[in-house]
Amino acid sequence: DAGVIQSPRHEVTEMGQEVTLRCKPISGHDYLFWYRQTMMRGLELLIYFNNNVPIDDSGMPEDRFSAKMPNASFSTLKIQPSEPRDSAVYFCASSLSGLDYEQYFGPGTRLTVT
Amino acid sequence: DQQVKQNSPSLSVQEGRISILNCDYTNSMFDYFLWYKKYPAEGPTFLISISSIKDKNEDGRFTVFLNKSAKHLSLHIVPSQPGDSAVYFCAAGTRQLTFGSGTQLTVLP
Repeated sequence: DAGVIQSPRHEVTEMGQEVTLRCKPISGHDYLFWYRQTMMRGLELLIYFNNNVPIDDSGMPEDRFSAKMPNASFSTLKIQPSEPRDSAVYFCASSLSGLDYEQYFGPGTRLTVT
Repeated sequence: DQQVKQNSPSLSVQEGRISILNCDYTNSMFDYFLWYKKYPAEGPTFLISISSIKDKNEDGRFTVFLNKSAKHLSLHIVPSQPGDSAVYFCAAGTRQLTFGSGTQLTVLP
């Protein structure tokens, strides 16, 4: 398996623009997680899905952020409008159901908002 | 409120010696604990885990110890190798994981 795939790997955009980050989880995994990593806050969970349904979005910083999972093999995280403080590395991870809770991470998208 | 803390931001160890990375947590409801390793420009990679019913889990050079009464988790790497140089994150929870801030391990040749 190719692992979790994220695109783009790098995104540079201007303040006010819409940004869409994409994720393809590992086939057969029914949990999907979006994280943000910053120097100040470390690795923080934004939202996670189970069987394409959002379960907990309490980590989403504000209404400018939204996430969707239209099917089992694709998810998006959208920021509209983007702000410089959104600059961070965004990771997607997936995991299987069951009692082993290991999450498998993608390579991340480095977002820079100028 | 940091529920998972890694108080040492960095650690340097000589090749062949033992590396010990520490992690403390505050939430007694956590029942699954994991360690991840992260290289620059890559996502975190799962390393080893332990459930709350155990106090030790071993996988090759890596051993994780859990002290539930002290709410303390540690990762031992023996012997340490230069390729082990990376940032190590501990995580706790169940389905939803809370991550520590990471410890940069440098193994000196």
